[in-house]
Amino acid sequence: GQNIDQPTEMTATEGAIVQINCTYQTSGFNGLFWYQQHAGEAPTFLSYNVLDGLEEKGRFSSFLSRSKGYSYLLLKELQMKDSASYLCAVSMFENNRLAFGKGNQVVVIP
Amino acid sequence: DVKVTQSSRYLVKRTGEKVFLECVQDMDHENMFWYRQDPGLGLRLIYFSYDVKMKEKGDIPEGYSVSREKKERFSLILESASTNQTSMYLCASIPASPVTGELFFGEGSRLTVL
Repeated sequence: GQNIDQPTEMTATEGAIVQINCTYQTSGFNGLFWYQQHAGEAPTFLSYNVLDGLEEKGRFSSFLSRSKGYSYLLLKELQMKDSASYLCAVSMFENNRLAFGKGNQVVVIP
Repeated sequence: DVKVTQSSRYLVKRTGEKVFLECVQDMDHENMFWYRQDPGLGLRLIYFSYDVKMKEKGDIPEGYSVSREKKERFSLILESASTNQTSMYLCASIPASPVTGELFFGEGSRLTVL
């Protein structure tokens, strides 16, 4: 089974930095994904971490610590279009599935 | 570009009706998934399939069935729709198991059951 935890909502100012955390407990861990989802749209892929450490992709970075069951997504130089829900998802060996957290709603204000 | 197409963006059905949600992908992916998404509950896995005619229950299969007669098509069936099945339904696909790459999503089907 799996248990994935994310905070539900946060508000940040345009140009700021925001960190979205995700903790998980799962067996057969095979990587962690971050997805972005705008209201009324399908999720879009942001990042995939399978090894410990930080992966940087432009304004977005994702960090993983497998020993702590912890990941975060860092959004820098926030823009209004970054207002969305950010979903953490864990891949498991045992059953070929991807289990999602409930998502964190980020609201960017001017 | 991978394309995952869901047959209907919006549907309105009555309680007790049989509902078919169709999903087609054009990249020869082995694995296909059906999720439902509800406010405060996130994405929950209903069923998935890793090959033609193969299916596995997800976390919330009750009230649903699926069909995978061809590799590119994965259908979700509500035998007798109920109001608690009002939701956004998302289909997704990925080349192979285990899930180590991007999951490609369709645009979603918003179902309302009256």
